[in-house]
Amino acid sequence: NAGVTQTPKFQVLKTGQSMTLQCAQDMNHNSMYWYRQDPGMGLRLIYYSASEGTTDKGEVPNGYNVSRLNKREFSLRLESAAPSQTSVYFCASSQPRDRGQVEAFFGQGTRLTVV
Amino acid sequence: GENVEQHPSTLSVQEGDSAVIKCTYSDSASNYFPWYKQELGKRPQLIIDIRSNVGEKKDQRIAVTLNKTAKHFSLHITETQPEDSAVYFCAAIRSGTSYGKLTFGQGTILTVHP
Repeated sequence: NAGVTQTPKFQVLKTGQSMTLQCAQDMNHNSMYWYRQDPGMGLRLIYYSASEGTTDKGEVPNGYNVSRLNKREFSLRLESAAPSQTSVYFCASSQPRDRGQVEAFFGQGTRLTVV
Repeated sequence: GENVEQHPSTLSVQEGDSAVIKCTYSDSASNYFPWYKQELGKRPQLIIDIRSNVGEKKDQRIAVTLNKTAKHFSLHITETQPEDSAVYFCAAIRSGTSYGKLTFGQGTILTVHP
């Protein structure tokens, strides 16, 4: 049981290049998220998927696209990377539990630098 | 959508002192409030949570309180230890619906000095 696995762990891109961050979970969770973490800004939601086949914009979606390929996988794509997208990206998944609890499990993070 | 504000952004205490981190939320329909701890270079992990029908919850040295009327909740850490040094995030979600998104605060960097 690996939990949430995201790849790659580190990436350097040149401005204008594209790339896809991959995320997979093996906990049979319905909800999956992509966040970016910047100093002093906390974890800001980029995109959210409540279930397979559905996606919804979060707080900072501009410059990103997502695909919920199946229940396990949720990928994040940068079509034309910009220096402002330099950040640490976290994928997460969650499932409601008894009594309304919702625990999110995070991947190990991707440190992306755009030069 | 939900907006969560967290204060302070940094907090420095001496070992053995108490630490308090406060959060406010905007969506009165939010009903579940977790706290996450992120150690340096690691992923965030859930440490404690509280539901909207509960005013306070304790787990050893940590406790959370919730004031639904004022829409704020707090994390209290007593007898702090150096291993409590980390970034702490509060969050809010409208649990139990398909629209629930986990929204985080800006984070608090807690440093406990030996």
